[in-house]
Amino acid sequence: AQSVTQPDIHITVSEGASLELRCNYSYGATPYLFWYVQSPGQGLQLLLKYFSGDTLVQGIKGFEAEFKRSQSSFNLRKPSVHWSDAAEYFCAVGARGSGGSNYKLTFGKGTLLTVNP
Amino acid sequence: EPEVTQTPSHQVTQMGQEVILRCVPISNHLYFYWYRQILGQKVEFLVSFYNNEISEKSEIFDDQFSVERPDGSNFTLKIRSTKLEDSAMYFCASKKVEANEQFFGPGTRLTVL
Repeated sequence: AQSVTQPDIHITVSEGASLELRCNYSYGATPYLFWYVQSPGQGLQLLLKYFSGDTLVQGIKGFEAEFKRSQSSFNLRKPSVHWSDAAEYFCAVGARGSGGSNYKLTFGKGTLLTVNP
Repeated sequence: EPEVTQTPSHQVTQMGQEVILRCVPISNHLYFYWYRQILGQKVEFLVSFYNNEISEKSEIFDDQFSVERPDGSNFTLKIRSTKLEDSAMYFCASKKVEANEQFFGPGTRLTVL
């Protein structure tokens, strides 16, 4: 069965500093990989996704992530964090079901990002 | 831009009562999903639905849960007899058959007293 590990429960950075959120996955084939952001009491907003092709993917709000098959990782990065980036970040892996393009998402436990002024 | 909608945004119910959470997926999507997130925890897959039947379900999705597409637009999650531990945010998602991305609704917060 697939699984996702986000080793950092809580990260604090200063505004303007760079950010890297770690994500490791376990899945037997090439997965679909996602990063979502969730503000308190809100829904899930997709930041970026990887399905195939170029292993460096660009997302919204200046975020990027790199798929590294050898490390089973999909770390999220941003060169300069803004106060509005404070939220919880979830990494997820899509594991294909029994057929077709259907898949279920397995989420990590999330990383809470605090941004200091 | 089309989006997934969910109603109500917040539902409060008494333990043992039945609840129905409603979702309107994006109109040309045919795969539908329910996920839940207990407060402070990760999002968990409940069930996927395609062609009027369940494609896959998790061990959370026991006999107390059911899903239905009662008409051409709605997709519902029913909990027959709610328990305190059913309190969570429930997210609906939908996907085109030929595409890879699931689109999430804003969620329904269910509070069981």
